[in-house]
Amino acid sequence: KAGVTQTPRYLIKTRGQQVTLSCSPISGHRSVSWYQQTPGQGLQFLFEYFSETQRNKGNFPGRFSGRQFSNSRSEMNVSTLELGDSALYLCASSPSGPDGYTFGSGTRLTVV
Amino acid sequence: QKEVEQNSGPLSVPEGAIASLNCTYSDRGSQSFFWYRQYSGKSPELIMFIYSNGDKEDGRFTAQLNKASQYVSLLIRDSQPSDSATYLCAVKRDSSYKLIFGSGTRLLVRP
Repeated sequence: KAGVTQTPRYLIKTRGQQVTLSCSPISGHRSVSWYQQTPGQGLQFLFEYFSETQRNKGNFPGRFSGRQFSNSRSEMNVSTLELGDSALYLCASSPSGPDGYTFGSGTRLTVV
Repeated sequence: QKEVEQNSGPLSVPEGAIASLNCTYSDRGSQSFFWYRQYSGKSPELIMFIYSNGDKEDGRFTAQLNKASQYVSLLIRDSQPSDSATYLCAVKRDSSYKLIFGSGTRLLVRP
């Protein structure tokens, strides 16, 4: 059974650019969440999607957005990148919600 | 005050000992509690979850929950060097779809 797949694994972007990260959940999982992990702030919740609907959003600026497609795959987008956006972005999936997440390997974003 | 607090460690224990990891939370509406393990350079993996007051055992791991004291802990019996990792505590309200994580406790098991 394939796990949660995140692409790309690594990204280097310049300030002001935008970036799109992709997450393919485990087959049959309809809930997908995104987290940002940094050494200083730890794991912080970005958003959660279920059947293409955003059910929860974290306290991040509007530059952070996401969506989920009908096949449960999800993307998150960060526009006008700032140096502080450098982090590991983790996607997690489960059949129905946060009880029992499986995390992907993450996308490490570096903003220079 | 952080919503979920953990001692950052490192907590150092000898091989074979019991490691005790603690977590406190501030939101009394929290109903679900999770322990994740994260090895360096890897993503978190779920070890255990607990919903009710008391103890829940799974192999060498025991989760303990005390909602009155807003306290959840993880005991690891017969600690092995392979248990050396960061342990993350996470909580969730029933009406919410997000996990709130603590900053993690780094555990070091000495051979």
